[in-house]
Amino acid sequence: NAGVTQTPKFQVLKTGQSMTLQCAQDMNHNSMYWYRQDPGMGLRLIYYSASEGTTDKGEVPNGYNVSRLNKREFSLRLESAAPSQTSVYFCASSELGRRYNSNQPQHFGDGTRLSIL
Amino acid sequence: KQEVTQIPAALSVPEGENLVLNCSFTDSAIYNLQWFRQDPGKGLTSLLLIQSSQREQTSGRLNASLDKSSGRSTLYIAASQPGDSATYLCAVKFGANNLFFGTGTRLTVIP
Repeated sequence: NAGVTQTPKFQVLKTGQSMTLQCAQDMNHNSMYWYRQDPGMGLRLIYYSASEGTTDKGEVPNGYNVSRLNKREFSLRLESAAPSQTSVYFCASSELGRRYNSNQPQHFGDGTRLSIL
Repeated sequence: KQEVTQIPAALSVPEGENLVLNCSFTDSAIYNLQWFRQDPGKGLTSLLLIQSSQREQTSGRLNASLDKSSGRSTLYIAASQPGDSATYLCAVKFGANNLFFGTGTRLTVIP
């Protein structure tokens, strides 16, 4: 019963390098999300995918791109990493509720700890 | 601006004590409110979700209440145990898809 799986768990990058964070869920959920968690700021939504084939910006999308590869997988890409993107990144998924996913709990992966030097 | 606030940032209690964690939010027009638990180095585990039409939800020793008019929610933990030590996060869904998180309360239950 894996739930939401994120890879890698840790990564160190140099400024300007690119990287893709992977996320997969095995709960047949329609919606998937990417958050970042920074000290003293709580989790903030980067991008989400309400259903397969759609993606939308969240609160802090600048510097990131996403791909909803299929129903299971949702990847987050940093094209040119910056020190300000040092953070812990969480992927989450949820079932689609009757009113556009409004009433279903989100399930989280264990996170990717990313440091950019 | 939609904000979620959790006070205190940290709390220590002796084992066996009942405790209340607080969450406040700025907009009463919410879809739902969710309480999570986060252990160090781990992801978030959903504890309770309260729909906007509900006043409370219970799961075992946990009880969460919601008062939309005052913009507040509380998480009540009965008979606390050392295993309850973790950071507790409150998250509010103001829009159709965006979940806003508080910064959490770090709970330590002392044996």
